[in-house]
Amino acid sequence: AQSVTQLDSQVPVFEEAPVELRCNYSSSVSVYLFWYVQYPNQGLQLLLKYLSGSTLVKGINGFEAEFNKSQTSFHLRKPSVHISDTAEYFCAVSASAGKSTFGDGTTLTVKP
Amino acid sequence: KAGVTQTPRYLIKTRGQQVTLSCSPISGHRSVSWYQQTPGQGLQFLFEYFSETQRNKGNFPGRFSGRQFSNSRSEMNVSTLELGDSALYLCASSPQGVTEAFFGQGTRLTVV
Repeated sequence: AQSVTQLDSQVPVFEEAPVELRCNYSSSVSVYLFWYVQYPNQGLQLLLKYLSGSTLVKGINGFEAEFNKSQTSFHLRKPSVHISDTAEYFCAVSASAGKSTFGDGTTLTVKP
Repeated sequence: KAGVTQTPRYLIKTRGQQVTLSCSPISGHRSVSWYQQTPGQGLQFLFEYFSETQRNKGNFPGRFSGRQFSNSRSEMNVSTLELGDSALYLCASSPQGVTEAFFGQGTRLTVV
């Protein structure tokens, strides 16, 4: 079984500041890792994914994440946030096709 | 390519009734997964269908069921609705293999 812990439920940050959203996971088997973003009353949109290879993964909208196997972490970062980045962010792991386990989400609020 | 389409977007039902939600996956995607999203429980996996067969199942009571048709379209059914079934139901489709999920906008079900 897999589990995902998003360490911060809410992250407030000022516009143009850097941000890090933290995600730890637990699994007895190899997993694939994902970050999704959800805007109000919308579905989830993939930001980035780690399947294999380079541990630094770049995604859309300037986001990146680093896979750390020894610390079982997959933290999401952005060097400079915008108001439009205000949303809920979900970390997810998947070990079998068609089934993902999600964290509880982190609400990112970007203030002017 | 059209995205994942869920219908209806909003639904209000009375306790004890049953409801059917529909999901049309991205063309060529054979895997369709369903998730329930609530403020208290977060995103929880319901089940996944691949080529008309249920391949994965979450930990939900038998009132929750689904099916997939030969064109990969999927439906989920909830019988004997309870107030606690009020949630955003998200459908996601994936191509073959373990990859990211492509989500629809969801169906907001309110049980009164």
